[in-house]
Amino acid sequence: DTAVSQTPKYLVTQMGNDKSIKCEQNLGHDTMYWYKQDSKKFLKIMFSYNNKELIINETVPNRFSPKSPDKAHLNLHINSLELGDSAVYFCASSSLAGEQYFGPGTRLTVT
Amino acid sequence: GIQVEQSPPDLILQEGANSTLRCNFSDSVNNLQWFHQNPWGQLINLFYIPSGTKQNGRLSATTVATERYSLLYISSSQTTDSGVYFCAVGPWGANNLFFGTGTRLTVIP
Repeated sequence: DTAVSQTPKYLVTQMGNDKSIKCEQNLGHDTMYWYKQDSKKFLKIMFSYNNKELIINETVPNRFSPKSPDKAHLNLHINSLELGDSAVYFCASSSLAGEQYFGPGTRLTVT
Repeated sequence: GIQVEQSPPDLILQEGANSTLRCNFSDSVNNLQWFHQNPWGQLINLFYIPSGTKQNGRLSATTVATERYSLLYISSSQTTDSGVYFCAVGPWGANNLFFGTGTRLTVIP
């Protein structure tokens, strides 16, 4: 009965490849997010979706594209992967009250 | 964006000791959360506390929104409390969270 799940947990790939990370929440929340945690453990918002509409798009490269087929899913697609994209990517969702719940993270390593 | 500062950056405690972690933020907020990132990388929700005081077992938190700070108290620390504690705030009119740089806690037996 995992609340926010992500797949895969680990992803190792070569520069230039395209990859996707999937996220699903079963909490009935309307808003979902992608955060990036860098090697220094700093967490920063990348995208937010409210009921399938993008409402935040922080200054991330356009190689990153979020896609939300329905309000329970928010996937992250990354084109032309670069070494600097190596990080842990967290999906989260929130209720109307705003409390956010995070998935287990996907550790992406680009070689 | 809103600035979030956490102190201390690192903390080493003997098992059984108490500690206070602080979070200062630069603007008014309608969301404040404390998280524990365990050694396996999971972000565990500790408190949703935009104002007031809450307690959960050995942990408690207080947010004084008018003075723009929050405190996390850990009593009788255990080795399983080790990890990084993050404060994250959400400004009015926005849904996303801005994270502090964390406090790395190490509890030694």
